[in-house]
Amino acid sequence: DAKTTQPTSMDCAEGRAANLPCNHSTISGNEYVYWYRQIHSQGPQYIIHGLKNNETNEMASLIITEDRKSSTLILPHATLRDTAVYYCIVRRFMEYGNKLVFGAGTILRVKS
Amino acid sequence: GAVVSQHPSRVICKSGTSVKIECRSLDFQATTMFWYRQFPKQSLMLMATSNEGSKATYEQGVEKDKFLINHASLTLSTLTVTSAHPEDSSFYICSATGARGAYGYTFGSGTRLTVV
Repeated sequence: DAKTTQPTSMDCAEGRAANLPCNHSTISGNEYVYWYRQIHSQGPQYIIHGLKNNETNEMASLIITEDRKSSTLILPHATLRDTAVYYCIVRRFMEYGNKLVFGAGTILRVKS
Repeated sequence: GAVVSQHPSRVICKSGTSVKIECRSLDFQATTMFWYRQFPKQSLMLMATSNEGSKATYEQGVEKDKFLINHASLTLSTLTVTSAHPEDSSFYICSATGARGAYGYTFGSGTRLTVV
């Protein structure tokens, strides 16, 4: 699975959009971009995933560049409860038994 | 949505004893379960993958005799830390998925193990 590069940490003002970048320059054609987050002392929570088209759900939007070498997770109106570690993971679609490997992630701090 | 329950959430045990952690899929059949360990301020490290009815596959460097994994049913997997020592103190998290990745990867809430 392709490796990802994320900034170590970011700050965001409450109520503003949080834009979390992820570089995955070695991504293959059949690999998806997944985003998870982990709030302190909890298990990771699925946010969103995509292949090449932009995706949106009730939690966030995922913008993938045309060459698919990078993506941005957007939390449109960040709240204090969005403070967490955000993980960008690139891998093939969830095949049987395929494991999910986590990198270091980005610590997002939402401040009032 | 898919729910995974992990129990206990916290456990304190004496050095040399064994501790069992349970991971249950409440509303789907979990054909594959994963166990992770997380030390403070570090990312999740995959320990092993278990498929229902089969022996677990351990990641390199993880002692299979120390971390016993059982996945005897489609809704339950257990991780037993045998002869625990203080260095085994960590946050243990399970994850489950259904056949062909159905239900995505759902994580339990984690177990904080402290060995004294």
